[in-house]
Amino acid sequence: QKEVEQNSGPLSVPEGAIASLNCTYSDRVSQSFFWYRQYSGKSPELIMSIYSNGDKEDGRFTAQLNKASQYVSLLIRDSQPSDSATYLCAVNGGSQGNLIFGKGTKLSVKP
Amino acid sequence: GAVVSQHPSRVICKSGTSVKIECRSLDFQATTMFWYRQFPKQSLMLMATSNEGSKATYEQGVEKDKFLINHASLTLSTLTVTSAHPEDSSFYICSAGSPVSSGNTIYFGEGSWLTVV
Repeated sequence: QKEVEQNSGPLSVPEGAIASLNCTYSDRVSQSFFWYRQYSGKSPELIMSIYSNGDKEDGRFTAQLNKASQYVSLLIRDSQPSDSATYLCAVNGGSQGNLIFGKGTKLSVKP
Repeated sequence: GAVVSQHPSRVICKSGTSVKIECRSLDFQATTMFWYRQFPKQSLMLMATSNEGSKATYEQGVEKDKFLINHASLTLSTLTVTSAHPEDSSFYICSAGSPVSSGNTIYFGEGSWLTVV
């Protein structure tokens, strides 16, 4: 069974610091990787997608992918209190395009 | 703006009644949509994959006769919770893949809070 593992947290960082969120996945042939942010009581929203090994930067967010280690991470620079949310790592799960989600890491950015 | 729209956002129904939730893809055609359920403080759990023009594929443990899915067009999928019970109270979320050349990015609807009383 395909699995996506995340540390549930909570991860607490001070405002302005770098938050580092990590994720591992079990299916070696996975090709597509996503980070979603979910505020309490709301639907997940896509932050980043990454398909190739290495880093991908978008504003304050950097996704890192290492397929050999089956590891994907999300860095949030200059963390803001508004970044406080649960971050879901997701991996493509099948031929129809469904995603397999980790349980999420709860991030708390303290002012 | 939203690329996937879901309605209603909140619904309260009496035990034993049925509730329909709609999921629409905006500005793109989605041959496949996905329905998830999320209980408080838990992760998203895939319930079923909705395929336009054919029967939905249900995940293990999800009752297909209780959670009826209809994907009648390329932009609309509906989930009907039949004979709802309090334990069906949950956050139901649909998603659809946008037609990108690689990766098949998935976007979520706003979600529907169902409370069965």
